[in-house]
Amino acid sequence: DTEVTQTPKHLVMGMTNKKSLKCEQHMGHRAMYWYKQKAKKPPELMFVYSYEKLSINESVPSRFSPECPNSSLLNLHLHALQPEDSALYLCASSPLGQGAYEQYFGPGTRLTVT
Amino acid sequence: AQSVTQPDIHITVSEGASLELRCNYSYGATPYLFWYVQSPGQGLQLLLKYFSGDTLVQGIKGFEAEFKRSQSSFNLRKPSVHWSDAAEYFCAVGEYGGSQGNLIFGKGTKLSVKP
Repeated sequence: DTEVTQTPKHLVMGMTNKKSLKCEQHMGHRAMYWYKQKAKKPPELMFVYSYEKLSINESVPSRFSPECPNSSLLNLHLHALQPEDSALYLCASSPLGQGAYEQYFGPGTRLTVT
Repeated sequence: AQSVTQPDIHITVSEGASLELRCNYSYGATPYLFWYVQSPGQGLQLLLKYFSGDTLVQGIKGFEAEFKRSQSSFNLRKPSVHWSDAAEYFCAVGEYGGSQGNLIFGKGTKLSVKP
């Protein structure tokens, strides 16, 4: 199984809402990632988890809160977002070491903040 | 700092024609180099990678890429394009010896295929 799944596919939320994005992989990968991708732009790394511990936080605002409950699951908790946070949010997983760059991506969650 | 340049924002080719997408990188040492493809509404898929060794690498879907150190380039090629190849293509570089998977992506090249 080389699939990374993400739910929901689409999410519309108001600026005062709290919502969560979910990501799951069953490839035994010990690194998981959140990326943000705006239209017609490349993905921008937000967070990296290694062995379920946060190892990289690319200066992301605190209204985005990641969580890695176990080696297969990755969540992104959203609170008090701004309209400019509307984007495609991609989850990825990979082995560690040199293989960390061979990332498997999920299809993404299209987020719209109103 | 590392950077990746994809000079072509949009390329259109006819089905069956050959394809070359350009990628130049800026990095002090030997980088890890990658090409990813993103179909509309989808996540990214790894096409091929270069770590070391043979400078011509083969990937999935009939793609290949050649690492040219003297030109700091890693261009993607395909001899005969299929309509299903229409997508966004991203070149990416990873830090040599790094292990955190911190990829630096180019801005992407959109490929359109004419029937």
